[in-house]
Amino acid sequence: KAGVTQTPRYLIKTRGQQVTLSCSPISGHRSVSWYQQTPGQGLQFLFEYFSETQRNKGNFPGRFSGRQFSNSRSEMNVSTLELGDSALYLCASKRTGAVEAFFGQGTRLTVV
Amino acid sequence: AQKVTQAQTEISVVEKEDVTLDCVYETRDTTYYLFWYKQPPSGELVFLIRRNSFDEQNEISGRYSWNFQKSTSSFNFTITASQVVDSAVYFCALSEVTGGSYIPTFGRGTSLIVHP
Repeated sequence: KAGVTQTPRYLIKTRGQQVTLSCSPISGHRSVSWYQQTPGQGLQFLFEYFSETQRNKGNFPGRFSGRQFSNSRSEMNVSTLELGDSALYLCASKRTGAVEAFFGQGTRLTVV
Repeated sequence: AQKVTQAQTEISVVEKEDVTLDCVYETRDTTYYLFWYKQPPSGELVFLIRRNSFDEQNEISGRYSWNFQKSTSSFNFTITASQVVDSAVYFCALSEVTGGSYIPTFGRGTSLIVHP
């Protein structure tokens, strides 16, 4: 069974640009969550999608947005990139009703 | 608000030593879940164990064991006879129900370095 797949693995962007990250959950998992990991703030929850609807949202500015498609794949978008957005972005998926989440390898975003 | 504290930022041991990673949590809920995840250099968070608030039984899985004590709000993780492959960052996490789902709050992680 394939795990959570995130693409791309690495990205370098310039300040002011926007970026889209992609996440394919484990087959059959309908919940997808996104996390930002930085040395300074640790692992922080961004948002969770379930059945194409945002179910929960963390405390991030509106520049961070996401969506989920009917096949449960999810994308995350960050607009007007700032240097502080440099981080490892992790995606996780869960089965319906499950508690534990399974994570992908992440996308490492560097903003220069 | 829920909170998870992993006071040990980094632990360095020599192979075959036993090591315990500490985790202390705060929550007002009576129903919650605790987790441990391992993050190797590749970046992926690997799920290790889940415990619910009503199950205080300790668990052993091979060289890994977990000690959950509600009285001290702790969920500690012990690796017996550590190996170089155990080198990673280990995260403790706490989940309460939020908006119909369980969203984990993570501790800051403990970096474990096992020297040969």
